[in-house]
Amino acid sequence: EVQLVESGGGLVQPGGSLRLSCAASGFSFSSSALTWVRQTPGKGLEWVSSIGGSGTNTYYADSVKGRFTISRDNSRNTLFLQMNSLRAEDTAVYYCAVTQNGYYFHWGQGTLVTVSS
Amino acid sequence: DIQMTQSPSSVSASVGDRVTITCRASLDISSRVAWYQQKLGKAPKLLIYAASSLPSGVPSRFSGSGSGTDFTLTISSLQPADFATYFCQQSNSVPRTFGQGTKVEMK
Repeated sequence: EVQLVESGGGLVQPGGSLRLSCAASGFSFSSSALTWVRQTPGKGLEWVSSIGGSGTNTYYADSVKGRFTISRDNSRNTLFLQMNSLRAEDTAVYYCAVTQNGYYFHWGQGTLVTVSS
Repeated sequence: DIQMTQSPSSVSASVGDRVTITCRASLDISSRVAWYQQKLGKAPKLLIYAASSLPSGVPSRFSGSGSGTDFTLTISSLQPADFATYFCQQSNSVPRTFGQGTKVEMK
């Protein structure tokens, strides 16, 4: 059974940083592309960033480019999202997802990030 | 960016009803669309990919159709577990984009 467990969310002040983690099991981690998707009541679902299986290829939404960094540790079956220079508009539930051909086949339960002073 | 426009934004239906949700892409995306179901407080769940393919474990009452710019999700006979919000998503190009969602409510 595929399991994805996000952690690292919380309350942070504008301009601050957070590092999200997504611990994975039940599938071939190093062969799988992975994605972070976020959700807010106002903007709905938004693709944030994706990474290929080897970690070489990374992709970012314009809204986070230069501030967020996606990475993975295939030896620990873990995906990361380093979020710097956080803004109020980054407030959302962040999900990690197993990705095939641009489709999100399995999702974690999500972790809430709140950016507020 | 490709915009995905869903309609309606909500639909009221009864158990056993046939429910149809549509999604229109702002550009031709071939068959590169997925549909997700989301229940309150839970993560989205993939229902349909490549416009009409069902992942393992998804009930056959769910079906998808369309190509180009117009796509449809159909629930042939609505069940109690199907009251939820449904989203479409395009996988044709980056950035991947989602529709705004359609809430299926009990009549």
